[in-house]
Amino acid sequence: GAGVSQSPSNKVTEKGKDVELRCDPISGHTALYWYRQSLGQGLEFLIYFQGNSAPDKSGLPSDRFSAERTGGSVSTLTIQRTQQEDSAVYLCASSPSGSGRLETQYFGPGTRLLVL
Amino acid sequence: GEDVEQSLFLSVREGDSSVINCTYTDSSSTYLYWYKQEPGAGLQLLTYIFSNMDMKQDQRLTVLLNKKDKHLSLRIADTQTGDSAIYFCAEIRGDDKIIFGKGTRLHILP
Repeated sequence: GAGVSQSPSNKVTEKGKDVELRCDPISGHTALYWYRQSLGQGLEFLIYFQGNSAPDKSGLPSDRFSAERTGGSVSTLTIQRTQQEDSAVYLCASSPSGSGRLETQYFGPGTRLLVL
Repeated sequence: GEDVEQSLFLSVREGDSSVINCTYTDSSSTYLYWYKQEPGAGLQLLTYIFSNMDMKQDQRLTVLLNKKDKHLSLRIADTQTGDSAIYFCAEIRGDDKIIFGKGTRLHILP
């Protein structure tokens, strides 16, 4: 596809369950970013990948959150033992380079996660 | 402060100008951005400004930057119903951290 895609678009889960969120970046983009947007909040940076490695994991809120990227393409964000405060929209962005400049980042539509 | 500050709501009559304000955190921030988010839609980059500029104009959009006060504003001329959305400002700080504001919801009155 032409843009960043994310799946699922919506996810409802029960507290304590694990969830996996997927991001397909734009083909050829080496950098990939995950953000979280909680209700009424701005975007909160979670993690950044350059290729398959994650030089910056500083935004992950707890050890229940992890992410991986394989083949320099698809990324999966995993949240273990979900809590209600994990409910948010999880946004992925990709960039042709790892410059960190926002204007080079193309955002996906997001996955809306609701933890009951 | 540590948070990027924005007013939560703004109501403007159709045809008037909208001015959305933002106070950012770091006087060393290099780039400042405005994003638009419509209901159920993704984040759309509207415009951005480099810190050595005071103003940037792009069609109906005018960005003003006051570095002394760490104040950024977005003016939308001739506001239309399609401008109804949440507007986020964001900064890239001197330590390369990206910080977003909580967003300003722009409501257009008929």
